[in-house]
Amino acid sequence: SSELTQDPAVSVALGQTVRITCQGDSLRSYYASWYQQKPGQAPVLVIYGKNNRPSGIPDRFSGSSSGNTASLTITGAQAEDEADYYCNSRDSSGNHLGVFGGGTKLTVL
Amino acid sequence: QVQLQESGPGLVKPSGTLSLTCAVSGGSISSSNWWSWVRQPPGKGLEWIGEIYHSGSTNYNPSLKSRVTISVDKSKNQFSLKLSSVTAADTAVYYCARSLWFRDPPLYYFDYWGQGTLVTVSS
Repeated sequence: SSELTQDPAVSVALGQTVRITCQGDSLRSYYASWYQQKPGQAPVLVIYGKNNRPSGIPDRFSGSSSGNTASLTITGAQAEDEADYYCNSRDSSGNHLGVFGGGTKLTVL
Repeated sequence: QVQLQESGPGLVKPSGTLSLTCAVSGGSISSSNWWSWVRQPPGKGLEWIGEIYHSGSTNYNPSLKSRVTISVDKSKNQFSLKLSSVTAADTAVYYCARSLWFRDPPLYYFDYWGQGTLVTVSS
């Protein structure tokens, strides 16, 4: 299957912890990657692989996975973390396709 | 630091062909990476269009495959997108990106993105 499912919207109180999830059969074969996108800007990679952060990404961002579900956790959410978050993976059916989740709008209250 | 820059017409007529180029700087397009196109209709999510390797090998989104061609020009360190028979549904911000694809461990991610370019399909 080439579909990844995300909750459309999630909210978190400032300084609290929030988990954003992504579900799909391809996640049994490939690690998810996660992207943050703020209005009018290009997506930015925040997590890839088992739990890897590119240079410059704060350590409050972490990733995990279990079965067909991948999670992005923000520990101690900040106002600047308010953004859309997308998961991405590779189709596992052998068709060599990239696939994105529908995105989750994170609101920091 | 790899940088990508999209260029091309911002307005395309219905039934016409959308053509965009992505110039790569700070790295070689012949490196062991894939080069991808992703689009985002206004107010909507990201859609993977397709990708190319420097050898010319390509993979396309099945929903667009009949209309899409991605090519590479190693001499200019750039790659291009052509989307034919466009309609208003093809109006979107188009991004080019560098993608890394490994089988062990099984990883696939986009580490560098262009700033994106809005293409509007309208008469």
